[in-house]
Amino acid sequence: SQTIHQWPATLVQPVGSPLSLECTVEGTSNPNLYWYRQAAGRGLQLLFYSVGIGQISSEVPQNLSASRPQDRQFILSSKKLLLSDSGFYLCAWSAGGQGGPQHFGDGTRLSIL
Amino acid sequence: AQSVTQLDSQVPVFEEAPVELRCNYSSSVSVYLFWYVQYPNQGLQLLLKYLSGSTLVKGINGFEAEFNKSQTSFHLRKPSVHISDTAEYFCAVITGGGNKLTFGTGTQLKVEL
Repeated sequence: SQTIHQWPATLVQPVGSPLSLECTVEGTSNPNLYWYRQAAGRGLQLLFYSVGIGQISSEVPQNLSASRPQDRQFILSSKKLLLSDSGFYLCAWSAGGQGGPQHFGDGTRLSIL
Repeated sequence: AQSVTQLDSQVPVFEEAPVELRCNYSSSVSVYLFWYVQYPNQGLQLLLKYLSGSTLVKGINGFEAEFNKSQTSFHLRKPSVHISDTAEYFCAVITGGGNKLTFGTGTQLKVEL
């Protein structure tokens, strides 16, 4: 069966520090991969999605970037964190192709001080 | 662009009572519809999905939803709720054969004794 792992579960970082969040999927090949941010008490905002290695689509202009160095690895990064980057970050995958459901990781709670 | 409306931000209900969480979408093309549940500090778990076929779909934990094309709705129902159903519920849609989910803003279901 397929599983998705996200780490770390929680992270506290100072303003201006770098960020790297990692997500890996097991049990499937060539998945579509997604990064979302969920602000407190709000819905989910799609940040990035990828349909293959090295293929990244950005949904909103921001202080973050994403990379997909391997088929089942998706990384969310920042060179300098802002206070507004605080939130709950979720990684998800879906089967390659179109229309299938997305399956989510357990999320990373990021607090910027 | 598609949108998803969850009119009720909070729904309080007593244990063993029935519940309906409303979801309406705006799209003139074919849609795939989903309901997710999120427990505190966790990722989203797929409850059920409508891709095609029967308009009444059954999911996990005793939930079901009915796709109504004429009313562009996909309401979630459970005939008898339990305390453990207390969580945030998100409706989401994929349109036009794509692979990006558009989420509603969520409905907080609070089950009371």
